[in-house]
Amino acid sequence: GAVVSQHPSRVICKSGTSVKIECRSLDFQATTMFWYRQFPKQSLMLMATSNEGSKATYEQGVEKDKFLINHASLTLSTLTVTSAHPEDSSFYICSATQPNTGGYGYTFGSGTRLTVV
Amino acid sequence: GQQLNQSPQSMFIQEGEDVSMNCTSSSIFNTWLWYKQDPGEGPVLLIALYKAGELTSNGRLTAQFGITRKDSFLNISASIPSDVGIYFCAGQGSGGSNYKLTFGKGTLLTVNP
Repeated sequence: GAVVSQHPSRVICKSGTSVKIECRSLDFQATTMFWYRQFPKQSLMLMATSNEGSKATYEQGVEKDKFLINHASLTLSTLTVTSAHPEDSSFYICSATQPNTGGYGYTFGSGTRLTVV
Repeated sequence: GQQLNQSPQSMFIQEGEDVSMNCTSSSIFNTWLWYKQDPGEGPVLLIALYKAGELTSNGRLTAQFGITRKDSFLNISASIPSDVGIYFCAGQGSGGSNYKLTFGKGTLLTVNP
């Protein structure tokens, strides 16, 4: 089945530094990838939709200059949290979709736990 | 924007009991999905529903797509300890498989052996 690899699984960084999170579709080409943020005991909140070769579409309230998304190929999207602050600490999850597969086409990565100290 | 109301927020049950949870929406969805999330992991798809009124099973899991297309439920029969986790409903609007999902707030399930 479809596999999405997300790396790193955990990262601790100092306040003010930047962190890059990678999301790879291992056995399929993902025309669209989604990035979510999940705070403890809360639901997944969509941050942005990323289409290969074009600029990401950000949800309302998400700062595009702070959360940089690059979808340079059909198998890789990256999320960079720039100038991270403690309030950016969260669980970040990516999802990749396969065309024409309906609901079964959404495959999630295993998430990245970001802690900013 | 679209909102999903998922209930209950949490459930504490004994092993062997049946469980039911549901989601309602203020707007219509074309697809309803049910996911399970274990701690520190991403969601894993359990069941996908595509047609109003559709009833689908996956082992001990059964889910239905409401006739109004604004609701869905998930039942788990004969629960076992490994059913523990957070269950999310998600709805997808029009726009094909690349369209974004809207998630419910989740139901935390605890199963006592």
